[in-house]
Amino acid sequence: IQLTQSPSSLSASVGDSVTITCRASQGIRSFLAWYQHKPGKAPKFLIYAASTLQSTAPSRFSGSGSGTDFALTISNLQPEDFATYYCQQLKSYPLTFGGGTKVEIK
Amino acid sequence: QVQLVESGGGVVQPGRSLSLSCTVSGFSFSSYGMHWVRQAPGKGLEWVAGMAFDGGNENYGDSVKGRFTISRDNSKNTLYLQMRSLRSDDTAMYYCAKEGNAYSSSWLESWGQGTLVIVSS
Repeated sequence: IQLTQSPSSLSASVGDSVTITCRASQGIRSFLAWYQHKPGKAPKFLIYAASTLQSTAPSRFSGSGSGTDFALTISNLQPEDFATYYCQQLKSYPLTFGGGTKVEIK
Repeated sequence: QVQLVESGGGVVQPGRSLSLSCTVSGFSFSSYGMHWVRQAPGKGLEWVAGMAFDGGNENYGDSVKGRFTISRDNSKNTLYLQMRSLRSDDTAMYYCAKEGNAYSSSWLESWGQGTLVIVSS
């Protein structure tokens, strides 16, 4: 199952709201997770089952979608949110990640 | 707290083998599926391999199938990745990761800091 993320990168300012999309090549119901990755750090898990926020993630992160089309929205962007974000499908093996979306400071 | 520490990375010649380890603490290792994920320089995350909590089910990415073997020793709280016939495109940071749900396949909840593998002559 291929995952296509868009855009591949975006520039935004602190306080902005941004949305990243992830499209699956076939239906995966809600078997999708989102991760944040910063250079030199371990990836951090944010959202599972497409829209359930993990307990320690800030509430400005939200996920939506099912089937083939998904989105990650970050509201009120904070300095610590500038990173690369990846979706991952958990519907079937081999597990796959999207190509990533780099969120940069404008 | 949950800790995952990878080791075993280094510089290896093309065609040779290398074995990675991931030693964990802070949770019941024998209850969770575990995975290896890698990131090549300048590239995105790539899922490499995964194994069920009891070692009964293992799966691989297409690019490593037949060359890499994942295994675990629940008595030692350690996950392994045996890599053979290494190629230059296997150069990457290798992360181990723990699933979020005990006894069932799920998202990758916790990650180690990674160990760097460089395949070069």
